[in-house]
Amino acid sequence: EVQVVESGGGLVQPGGTLRLSCEASGFSFSSYSMNWVRQAPGKGLEWVSYISSGSSSTRYVDSVKGRFTISRDNAKNSLYLQMNSLRVEDTAVYYCARDGNMDVWGQGTTVTVSS
Amino acid sequence: DIQMTQSPSSLSASVGDRVTITCRASQGISNYLAWFQQKPGKAPKSLIYAASSLQSGVPSKFSGSGSGTDFTLTINTLQPEDFATYYCQQYNIFPYTFGQGTKLEIK
Repeated sequence: EVQVVESGGGLVQPGGTLRLSCEASGFSFSSYSMNWVRQAPGKGLEWVSYISSGSSSTRYVDSVKGRFTISRDNAKNSLYLQMNSLRVEDTAVYYCARDGNMDVWGQGTTVTVSS
Repeated sequence: DIQMTQSPSSLSASVGDRVTITCRASQGISNYLAWFQQKPGKAPKSLIYAASSLQSGVPSKFSGSGSGTDFTLTINTLQPEDFATYYCQQYNIFPYTFGQGTKLEIK
């Protein structure tokens, strides 16, 4: 079964850090680009970051540039999002999604930034 | 950034109806357009990619069309499980962007 499973969310204070993980199975992970997408409570979907299949290209939404870093380990079939200097407005469910057309999504992991 | 505008933002319909949701891009995106369905508390589900291609396993009652700046999602013969929020998304140019969503409710 093709699937991705996120983990690593939690409650963190403003200015804190978290590292999200996304483990893929059932497909050739190294052949696909990957994305992180988030959804704040009661709001719509927002694309956060992209990484190419071989990690040569990464992209970010302006609001997280310089604070978040996307990476992957193809040997471990895993995608990561290092989140530093977290803000209250980063509170959201974070999803990993496969490829540009986002054909496969995980169940999401919840990040809450609050004092 | 490319702005994606969906209309309507909400829609009431009855079981058995056919509905159409429109998505307009602020600049041309060729056919790099996807549609998603999301139910409360659940992850989005991919329905359509490349504007008109049905994802594997998605029933043929869903169809997409359009190219350039104007796109539509049509859902035929609504069933109770189709009432959800629908999003379009462009993946032609970074940053990828989503429409604001269309909430489809039972009349």
